[in-house]
Amino acid sequence: NAGVMQNPRHLVRRRGQEARLRCSPMKGHSHVYWYRQLPEEGLKFMVYLQKENIIDESGMPKERFSAEFPKEGPSILRIQQVVRGDSAAYFCASSVIRDTEAFFGQGTRLTVV
Amino acid sequence: KNEVEQSPQNLTAQEGEFITINCSYSVGISALHWLQQHPGGGIVSLFMLSSGKKKHGRLIATINIQEKHSSLHITASHPRDSAVYICAAYPNTGNQFYFGTGTSLTVIP
Repeated sequence: NAGVMQNPRHLVRRRGQEARLRCSPMKGHSHVYWYRQLPEEGLKFMVYLQKENIIDESGMPKERFSAEFPKEGPSILRIQQVVRGDSAAYFCASSVIRDTEAFFGQGTRLTVV
Repeated sequence: KNEVEQSPQNLTAQEGEFITINCSYSVGISALHWLQQHPGGGIVSLFMLSSGKKKHGRLIATINIQEKHSSLHITASHPRDSAVYICAAYPNTGNQFYFGTGTSLTVIP
């Protein structure tokens, strides 16, 4: 049973480009959470999704950021027109249901140059 | 004010020492997680606790629900234990973990 898979592990984008981060939850998990870890800072919640639904996006910046978790395929975190301040590690976690143990992926390290 | 407070922020220990990292939280929780992150690495979930105590190898985690406090202990510490340890509280209501700022542990051979 593979763990939570995130790809790419490292992503370099120029300012103004789009970044797409993918998260494949563990088998049987239908809840996905995205977190951002800025350099020298702790983890911050971004968005919580279930299959085809955004449940809570209170941590997402209002502009340029979007997330989806389609019926088939991985969850996608999309950042449009990236800026240097978007450089961070982005982690996703998945769980079977809300109150069960969440498992984290290895993260995607985004560098905006 | 952070919902989750960890101490110490940084910790240096000699190999073999017994280590304790503390976590206090202010929200009602359904579970508390201890996470480990190596430099530049991913996050590994070490424990999920809702009561009592759990042990895995040299790692022990305890939680006191009444006092809203949890501890992570490492017995016979080893340099490979060097990492950042993060306490994460999953609240009764709401949809997100509240994270502590992490404890950076360095174990010197």
